[in-house]
Amino acid sequence: RKEVEQDPGPFNVPEGATVAFNCTYSNSASQSFFWYRQDCRKEPKLLMSVYSSGNEDGRFTAQLNRASQYISLLIRDSKLSDSATYLCVVNYTPLVFGKGTRLSVIA
Amino acid sequence: DAGVIQSPRHEVTEMGQEVTLRCKPISGHNSLFWYRQTMMRGLELLIYFNNNVPIDDSGMPEDRFSAKMPNASFSTLKIQPSEPRDSAVYFCASSLGTGVHEQYFGPGTRLTVT
Repeated sequence: RKEVEQDPGPFNVPEGATVAFNCTYSNSASQSFFWYRQDCRKEPKLLMSVYSSGNEDGRFTAQLNRASQYISLLIRDSKLSDSATYLCVVNYTPLVFGKGTRLSVIA
Repeated sequence: DAGVIQSPRHEVTEMGQEVTLRCKPISGHNSLFWYRQTMMRGLELLIYFNNNVPIDDSGMPEDRFSAKMPNASFSTLKIQPSEPRDSAVYFCASSLGTGVHEQYFGPGTRLTVT
């Protein structure tokens, strides 16, 4: 069964806070992992790919733990503009999207 | 560069009417995906094509739904007859392949069936 599980949130955090999301997947053979961002009433957009060694893009860090089959996204120094829904994506051919974690950054 | 193009952006129709949603994928992408998104069910994959051929339509909810891809630059999703429970946002996405590559989404069509 193709499953990608995420905590739906919402996560309500103050500006400047660090917040982390986790996502678990069920297919140990999956090879590609992504985080997408979806703003209200907009389409999902690729935020970053997730590599086995972990990767960082500015304030965002993504990590993959194959042994435990989970992916994480860390956001440092949260901005108001980070408020969105974050979708975990895993390839089962085709890609499978989680239902998303809602983040609200509060001034 | 043009992204995925969808039309119409909004559609309001009465129950029983036929609805046709259109999608133009990114040039050079050989895979195309149709999704439906609702608050309750999240993002659901309806059907996807590779090189214009339907690969998996197991997500299509009923026979009322059909999709075609007559060429590499155009696809349609048709609902006939439409029902109120079909109200959702329908996204089209394209990618370089069906497996490991990221997908790029169009802006979606917000469908309301009254």
